[in-house]
Amino acid sequence: DIQMTQSPSTLSASVGDRVSITCRASQNINFWLAWYQQKPGKAPKLLIYEASALQSGVPSRFSGSGSETEFTLTISSLQPDDFAIYFCQQYSTYSHTFGGGTKVEIK
Amino acid sequence: QVQLVQSGAEVKMPGSSVKVSCKASGGTFDNYAINWVRQAPGQGLEWMGGILPALGRTKYAQKFQGRVTITTDGSTSTAYMDLTSLISDDTAVYYCARDRMNTAMVTPEPFDMWGQGTRVTVSS
Repeated sequence: DIQMTQSPSTLSASVGDRVSITCRASQNINFWLAWYQQKPGKAPKLLIYEASALQSGVPSRFSGSGSETEFTLTISSLQPDDFAIYFCQQYSTYSHTFGGGTKVEIK
Repeated sequence: QVQLVQSGAEVKMPGSSVKVSCKASGGTFDNYAINWVRQAPGQGLEWMGGILPALGRTKYAQKFQGRVTITTDGSTSTAYMDLTSLISDDTAVYYCARDRMNTAMVTPEPFDMWGQGTRVTVSS
């Protein structure tokens, strides 16, 4: 199975900060990568698909980049509603593996 | 607007089985594949398998092959996930989730619609 490694595992930031989360795949997944946001007690929410395409209804402060094995999720100006856990997911194969998650917390 | 509504929490004994349902409320599955993803307490997300309701086509993660069965009832637009031989490590929240695009399960897709989750606790 393809392994997905996220870093950092925890990120402390303030409202208005620009933050970036990295996801690395153990093999080439082209651009078949998605990013999700999850809040406590809630289901994940799709933010980005195909590495950089913004899901409908998601604020434009979220952006994704990368290809093959290295990917980045960037929040251009962190808002109070953005404090959550973020997961990457590869869907190059039907193992659909997820990264371990990055918790974005208030500094 | 279709929503995925799951059945309620379950407490099960080790060695038993659990069947969780996921109903398309306010509509149908519209030929989109439905997947099952679980999340153990404080842990990440794990894809278990999926089904294309229109054809009954299924795909399962290797880890769960032989222990999980995913089915649908077209008359009620409900999907089911049946997990057998439960152990304590199966304690988790189980989610159903819909493919973003209808690819007839030819290629994998990310998930754009999720159920609210069903907590399954396995304990003696």
